[in-house]
Amino acid sequence: GQNIDQPTEMTATEGAIVQINCTYQTSGFNGLFWYQQHAGEAPTFLSYNVLDGLEEKGRFSSFLSRSKGYSYLLLKELQMKDSASYLCAVRGNAGNNRKLIWGLGTSLAVNP
Amino acid sequence: KAGVTQTPRYLIKTRGQQVTLSCSPISGHRSVSWYQQTPGQGLQFLFEYFSETQRNKGNFPGRFSGRQFSNSRSEMNVSTLELGDSALYLCASSLVTDGTQYFGPGTRLTVL
Repeated sequence: GQNIDQPTEMTATEGAIVQINCTYQTSGFNGLFWYQQHAGEAPTFLSYNVLDGLEEKGRFSSFLSRSKGYSYLLLKELQMKDSASYLCAVRGNAGNNRKLIWGLGTSLAVNP
Repeated sequence: KAGVTQTPRYLIKTRGQQVTLSCSPISGHRSVSWYQQTPGQGLQFLFEYFSETQRNKGNFPGRFSGRQFSNSRSEMNVSTLELGDSALYLCASSLVTDGTQYFGPGTRLTVL
C-alpha cells in the first residue's frame, strides 16, 4: 500500500530551528512536496524535491533521500507566524498512482 | 495574477440533498484537482481534470462526480448527501497535470 508518515505534533521556541520528518512508501516516486497550512486556510506551496539532496529557500529548506524514502523540512529562525500544519505529499509515477498522496500533517506550535 | 477561487465558501445542507461546488483555476492553468479534508483523514484526493478529461480518480463513491469546462473551470457534485460528507472541499490548480498545485480557499460543507 501507499503510506506517508509524519509526526502529529511538534513544539519549538521562537528563533530556534525545527526539523519535520516525512517517510513514505509509494508506488514509484515522481516528486515530494511540502505545504504549509494555517488553521482555517488553504495549503500553500513551500517546496518540491525530485532529486536527492537539500533545496534551500530562505528560512526553509527541504531534504530528500529517495533510497531511504525520507524527507525533512527544516525551518530556521522560527517566528510565531510559522505556527501551522506542515503537509508532506508524494507523487507516484504510473497511471492512477500519479496522484498526490498526502500525509496527515505535522502541527507545529511556536512558543515565545 | 488572481489565485484559485472557489464558490461558495460555506454551505449548509441536509442529508439526502445534493450540492454543486465551483472552482476557477489560476489563469493559464489547465489541471484542476479536488480534495476532501477532514481532521481525521487529512487531504483525500477526489479527482483530477485536465483539458476537460478526468485523468485520475480517488477512492470515493459514485455520489461524488465532477467535470471541467473548456475554460478550465471545474465543478464537483455530491448527490444524496450524508453526514460524513461534512468537510472542507479544496480545489487546486496546476499548469500541467504533474505540476505544483496551488489551492483555493475551500468550501466548508456542513451536512445536518
